[in-house]
Amino acid sequence: RKEVEQDPGPFNVPEGATVAFNCTYSNSASQSFFWYRQDCRKEPKLLMSVYSSGNEDGRFTAQLNRASQYISLLIRDSKLSDSATYLCVVRGGMGYSTLTFGKGTMLLVSP
Amino acid sequence: EAQVTQNPRYLITVTGKKLTVTCSQNMNHEYMSWYRQDPGLGLRQIYYSMNVEVTDKGDVPEGYKVSRKEKRNFPLILESPSPNQTSLYFCASSHRGAGLAYEQYFGPGTRLTVT
Repeated sequence: RKEVEQDPGPFNVPEGATVAFNCTYSNSASQSFFWYRQDCRKEPKLLMSVYSSGNEDGRFTAQLNRASQYISLLIRDSKLSDSATYLCVVRGGMGYSTLTFGKGTMLLVSP
Repeated sequence: EAQVTQNPRYLITVTGKKLTVTCSQNMNHEYMSWYRQDPGLGLRQIYYSMNVEVTDKGDVPEGYKVSRKEKRNFPLILESPSPNQTSLYFCASSHRGAGLAYEQYFGPGTRLTVT
């Protein structure tokens, strides 16, 4: 089983739509969870950390389910500028500083 | 401005010609790391460093060397590059703290082509 799995997409949605991505991880000892955003050929940038109780940042909501070992990201009122690849990232296991990246989910928002 | 810089940004070289990709951060981060990104494979860690003079292998270390003589610099060395090392390389840094969710800051990337 792959360590961090994501649906590669692409998810094609119109502006204003709500879209959700899921991610599953295999290591139950994982400590920290993140969503990163990566624009084409650019470096990944932190979108948000994911906390056990769930957290929201504007139009973005992240949820963590430790029992089922999955993480979700919900984007409401999609904008054209949200088009990017979203990387699910997990820290922990053998080395607490080791990050494991999912391969990413591509989102395309159209007018 | 807080940043991670990499040089060169683009490099085309030939098989076997030694090269170094530099990485520098100005945020006084303890932890630094190198990744390569390939289509369909995502980001994979090559080497990482917890602090000065402390380095360790990531998932794909074969064919690479690193050193951490100063806190701010973490160069990636390819002693004898081969075509399968053609990739997009990212350097990243963060503070180090057990159990804490520190953000990793990435450099802009180095696109390497080995012919």
